[in-house]
Amino acid sequence: AQKITQTQPGMFVQEKEAVTLDCTYDTSDQSYGLFWYKQPSSGEMIFLIYQGSYDEQNATEGRYSLNFQKARKSANLVISASQLGDSAMYFCAMREGNAGGTSYGKLTFGQGTILTVHP
Amino acid sequence: NAGVTQTPKFQVLKTGQSMTLQCAQDMNHNSMYWYRQDPGMGLRLIYYSASEGTTDKGEVPNGYNVSRLNKREFSLRLESAAPSQTSVYFCASTPLGGRRALGYTFGSGTRLTVV
Repeated sequence: AQKITQTQPGMFVQEKEAVTLDCTYDTSDQSYGLFWYKQPSSGEMIFLIYQGSYDEQNATEGRYSLNFQKARKSANLVISASQLGDSAMYFCAMREGNAGGTSYGKLTFGQGTILTVHP
Repeated sequence: NAGVTQTPKFQVLKTGQSMTLQCAQDMNHNSMYWYRQDPGMGLRLIYYSASEGTTDKGEVPNGYNVSRLNKREFSLRLESAAPSQTSVYFCASTPLGGRRALGYTFGSGTRLTVV
């Protein structure tokens, strides 16, 4: 079974509007971390936001927020006020287990969602 | 600039040739990783090194070997390249097993084509 599922191969949004990129995950660990990365056409991996499984508040970083619904095992990325520069591939990833524990920090990635922002 | 440096950035190999992808980080990170990225499949873990002196297989290790030369350097070797190994390869590092969001730094990638 897929550990990280991103069901939207592509998404389109109008500039200045908000968009939600979906991510569901599967783990039996109580402690885990969820990450979102942006990959522009240049290819580098840019860290956007992190949510720990024990964090009670949803993470926010500027225009990015993570809608964390633990019971549903979902960790959707919300981008507010989209900009043309947000056009990129977006990856959801999970680190299972405690940081420094037997997961050794390994990340499992979803398939990615290509976001296109229209002017 | 502090970060993860990968060399080369681009490489074309013929089937059966061998090569080593180099990765070095200057952030004193303990853990290092090699991923490959294929269209529609996200990034998949090839090998990782939790700390200096240790290496272990990830999800897709077949056809690859690794060496953690020292704390800074983690190389990936293709002994006999195959067209199925055409991919973009990323090296990443983190201070200690990925503590929170700190220190997952990715290199800029190596685009490898095997013909």
